[in-house]
Amino acid sequence: GQNIDQPTEMTATEGAIVQINCTYQTSGFNGLFWYQQHAGEAPTFLSYNVLDGLEEKGRFSSFLSRSKGYSYLLLKELQMKDSASYLCARGGTGRRALTFGSGTRLQVQP
Amino acid sequence: ETGVTQTPRHLVMGMTNKKSLKCEQHLGHNAMYWYKQSAKKPLELMFVYNFKEQTENNSVPSRFSPECPNSSHLFLHLHTLQPEDSALYLCASSDTGDSNQPQHFGDGTRLSIL
Repeated sequence: GQNIDQPTEMTATEGAIVQINCTYQTSGFNGLFWYQQHAGEAPTFLSYNVLDGLEEKGRFSSFLSRSKGYSYLLLKELQMKDSASYLCARGGTGRRALTFGSGTRLQVQP
Repeated sequence: ETGVTQTPRHLVMGMTNKKSLKCEQHLGHNAMYWYKQSAKKPLELMFVYNFKEQTENNSVPSRFSPECPNSSHLFLHLHTLQPEDSALYLCASSDTGDSNQPQHFGDGTRLSIL
């Protein structure tokens, strides 16, 4: 299968840094997406990694290791509005859509 | 206007009713998707349309019937649903149907089956 594993819940403090991990099956891999979803709202695209390494976009960075089947999303200078679910999604060759993980619910506390 | 619009936002229906969910995208994309999102479960892909042609049906029961009249509009026709079908139904679109394209989601329709 294309099991995608990520922690169910995480808690962090405002102003801190948090890392959300995601592991996936490596066969037929064609890229890794991160989405943010606030309660009752649409998932919104955050990042896409297909090559090894770190991609930085402001306070958010995403890392990929293809050989290890591992990615993480790094959120810096956490704000209360960052409280949301973060979805890891894997693209596969020979398949025209993404496979999503169950999401990590992040709670940012004052 | 938002990129992907879904109507209605909320729907309550009995098991014998027939209703339809609508999705419209204003992004000029060629691929559209239906997903089901249940509590504490991953987003489940239901259907994929690429250039109006259905390219994927992820073993969805026939009580769900999709329709894609053009690249901008997608419908999900519902008939004789079961209580376990209560969920958030999300529509998404992407430039092409390739899995390396980011998908843009609507806010979803919250469906409750009585």
